[in-house]
Amino acid sequence: TAGITQAPTSQILAAGRSMTLRCTQDMRHNAMYWYRQDLGLGLRLIHYSNTAGTTGKGEVPDGYSVSRANTDDFPLTLASAVPSQTSVYFCASSRLAPNVLDTGELFFGEGSRLTVL
Amino acid sequence: SQKIEQNSEALNIQEGKTATLTCNYTNYSPAYLQWYRQDPGRGPVFLLLIRENEKEKRKERLKVTFDTTLKQSLFHITASQPADSATYLCAPEGRGTGFQKLVFGTGTRLLVSP
Repeated sequence: TAGITQAPTSQILAAGRSMTLRCTQDMRHNAMYWYRQDLGLGLRLIHYSNTAGTTGKGEVPDGYSVSRANTDDFPLTLASAVPSQTSVYFCASSRLAPNVLDTGELFFGEGSRLTVL
Repeated sequence: SQKIEQNSEALNIQEGKTATLTCNYTNYSPAYLQWYRQDPGRGPVFLLLIRENEKEKRKERLKVTFDTTLKQSLFHITASQPADSATYLCAPEGRGTGFQKLVFGTGTRLLVSP
């Protein structure tokens, strides 16, 4: 079982360009998440989705958008990249949605390293 | 605001010893707390979950404690091995933030020397 698949693994992007990071899960999990990880700041939630068709903002949503057209896919789009969006991006999923008491464990992808110049 | 603190300095120990990592949280009381392991260039991997009504949880060589009075969780690895070298993240449930059910600490890097 693949679990969570992210693409691309790494990307260098010119400032002002748009970029979509792809995330696919094969576990039929309800909830999906996008985090960014920066040195000294840890994992910070960008956007999340409780179920297909719904999305919500996390701690640092500005400059990012997401969609959840189906259960398996949760792409993250940067409409106009800026250097402060240089980071490692992790997609994750959980069987339960965060609007119940306990999400259970999160399953993470291997990350997408994005550099914005 | 909620604050999670993990020792940012790496913990260096000798193989065979017990490693103890600390996670402190302030300004709230999580209903549960999770621990994850992260290897360089990889995504975090779930290890253990402990609930507020559980003082201790064990899994093989791993032990987690949860002291709601001290607002602290301790993560122990007994009989440590070089393969245990990684960064360990604690993630208390982010009660009161609505949607954000897990809030991650910055992690503590563990280095186990042969």
